Amino acid sequence: EAQVTQNPRYLITVTGKKLTVTCSQNMNHEYMSWYRQDPGLGLRQIYYSMNVEVTDKGDVPEGYKVSRKEKRNFPLILESPSPNQTSLYFCAITWGANVNSPLHFGNGTRLTVT
Amino acid sequence: QQPVQSPQAVILREGEDAVINCSSSKALYSVHWYRQKHGEAPVFLMILLKGGEQKGHEKISASFNEKKQQSSLYLTASQLSYSGTYFCGTDPSRAGGTSYGKLTFGQGTILTVHP
Repeated sequence: EAQVTQNPRYLITVTGKKLTVTCSQNMNHEYMSWYRQDPGLGLRQIYYSMNVEVTDKGDVPEGYKVSRKEKRNFPLILESPSPNQTSLYFCAITWGANVNSPLHFGNGTRLTVT
Repeated sequence: QQPVQSPQAVILREGEDAVINCSSSKALYSVHWYRQKHGEAPVFLMILLKGGEQKGHEKISASFNEKKQQSSLYLTASQLSYSGTYFCGTDPSRAGGTSYGKLTFGQGTILTVHP
């Protein structure tokens, strides 16, 4: 069974202190993505990756970085977090590459930036 | 541009039916539906493809009107377990192309089912 593991589940930090949220998967899937969820706005894509060393911006990439050095890991990096990045973050894998491929989400990371 | 879901919230009693709509300003080739329970991750329900059939999942089914760029989720004889937030995700990729999981989600519809 596909598993997407995010860490940490909860994180409280201060403005400007660099942080990384990790995401790993156990099924060798090529496609991974990051979403943030905010009340009234639904899920918005931050970045996605089609394979190792291949990443592209989603709809709200400002203030975030990602890397994909190996297939199983896709960390989300906030170089200088700000309070408007307080949100619930989800990492997701896509079970296939075509239009009928569903997303499978990790358990989420709730980030608070003070 | 995010698709627009309606209604924003709906309250039901067990056994009642509900319809959740998802409208896009762009031509669509597929629509995904997900359900998220409080404190949990969204979970995939179904995908509808352009030119495809109406899909079903237990007592939850959906339709896709390509001309109107709309999809509707039908919940019949609702159960307590149906409570949660429902999201549609739209994929403007052409049929047969790759989506890379690049879905654009609506703002969500909160469904509450009471005994």
